[in-house]
Amino acid sequence: NAGVMQNPRHLVRRRGQEARLRCSPMKGHSHVYWYRQLPEEGLKFMVYLQKENIIDESGMPKERFSAEFPKEGPSILRIQQVVRGDSAAYFCASSPDREYYGYTFGSGTRLTVV
Amino acid sequence: KNEVEQSPQNLTAQEGEFITINCSYSVGISALHWLQQHPGGGIVSLFMLSSGKKKHGRLIATINIQEKHSSLHITASHPRDSAVYICAVSRNTGNQFYFGTGTSLTVIP
Repeated sequence: NAGVMQNPRHLVRRRGQEARLRCSPMKGHSHVYWYRQLPEEGLKFMVYLQKENIIDESGMPKERFSAEFPKEGPSILRIQQVVRGDSAAYFCASSPDREYYGYTFGSGTRLTVV
Repeated sequence: KNEVEQSPQNLTAQEGEFITINCSYSVGISALHWLQQHPGGGIVSLFMLSSGKKKHGRLIATINIQEKHSSLHITASHPRDSAVYICAVSRNTGNQFYFGTGTSLTVIP
């Protein structure tokens, strides 16, 4: 059981480029959550997805950010036209159900915008 | 005011000391989690609690639902315990977690 896999571990983008962050949940997990950790700040919820559905995106910035969790393949967090303020660690977590039992985090993707 | 408050923010201990990190929350929860984050590293879930007490090795976590308070204890601390410990709660309404800002622990040999 490989756990929650995030890639890339580190991503450098120039201002205005697109960043695509991938999260493969643990086997058997159908619930995926994305969190952002800004420098010197705590983790903040971004979005909660189940297969092919966005359940709660109340933590997502209104513009430039989108997330998907297709029927096949990993969940993708996409940031268009990145700005310096997007530099952060982005963590994905997965669980087998809504009750959070077995909730597991990935190792994160550290995005640096230059 | 943050829904989840942790104390202390920073903690330095000598190897072997007994350590306590506290977490208070102000919302109704379905579960409380203690997480560990090493510098530059990922996040590991240590415990998930909805009542009582759990123990894993040298780590003990307790929760008092009535007082909305949880503690994480580390017995016989070791330098490899140095990390940021984060308290997080999952609410009984809604889908998201709320996180404390973390306690940075340094254990000195």
